[in-house]
Amino acid sequence: DTAVSQTPKYLVTQMGNDKSIKCEQNLGHDTMYWYKQDSKKFLKIMFSYNNKELIINETVPNRFSPKSPDKAHLNLHINSLELGDSAVYFCASSQFTSGSSSFGPGTRLTVT
Amino acid sequence: KQEVTQIPAALSVPEGENLVLNCSFTDSAIYNLQWFRQDPGKGLTSLLLIQSSQREQTSGRLNASLDKSSGRSTLYIAASQPGDSATYLCAVRRYSGGGADGLTFGKGTHLIIQP
Repeated sequence: DTAVSQTPKYLVTQMGNDKSIKCEQNLGHDTMYWYKQDSKKFLKIMFSYNNKELIINETVPNRFSPKSPDKAHLNLHINSLELGDSAVYFCASSQFTSGSSSFGPGTRLTVT
Repeated sequence: KQEVTQIPAALSVPEGENLVLNCSFTDSAIYNLQWFRQDPGKGLTSLLLIQSSQREQTSGRLNASLDKSSGRSTLYIAASQPGDSATYLCAVRRYSGGGADGLTFGKGTHLIIQP
């Protein structure tokens, strides 16, 4: 059973397009996250979200927006894609009381 | 602002050696610290989680320690094997009453175990 899953695994698109990445977790966790891993392999938090609040990293452009239809899903929508958005995006989840984070397999986004 | 530093950035050792990876963080107000491994082109696999009240955790050949007051953690790998080759990432979770903070990562240690 996959704990944290993401679709698609690979996404190639052109500048200016709008795209979404989907994430689902079946761990019953109360908090979900999106991270970005850049070309130098550095991982950085983008969003933290539970049913009470959304915390946005201040460096994330407002072209990026998380959308959560329910507690088990946190999708990432990106408007007007730019070349610099090319990266691997990881979804993760945790139960705040235990704190251990589980990561999805990542989505490699390439903007041409 | 929390910053996490990992030393060394890269390490290559012969199979069988015991080794230590280092992690330091600037803000000691953390909820926990987690060590991950990442294989090329893959996601993150959690290795060990240490809560802020704990001093160490062990899993098989891995042992992680935490000294919160000095802002340091070490990951000890015993009897290294070629299958241990990967990038090892240290991450801390900031403590906050709101509870939804994500992890702050170091840049990783790229480990190669030579057969």
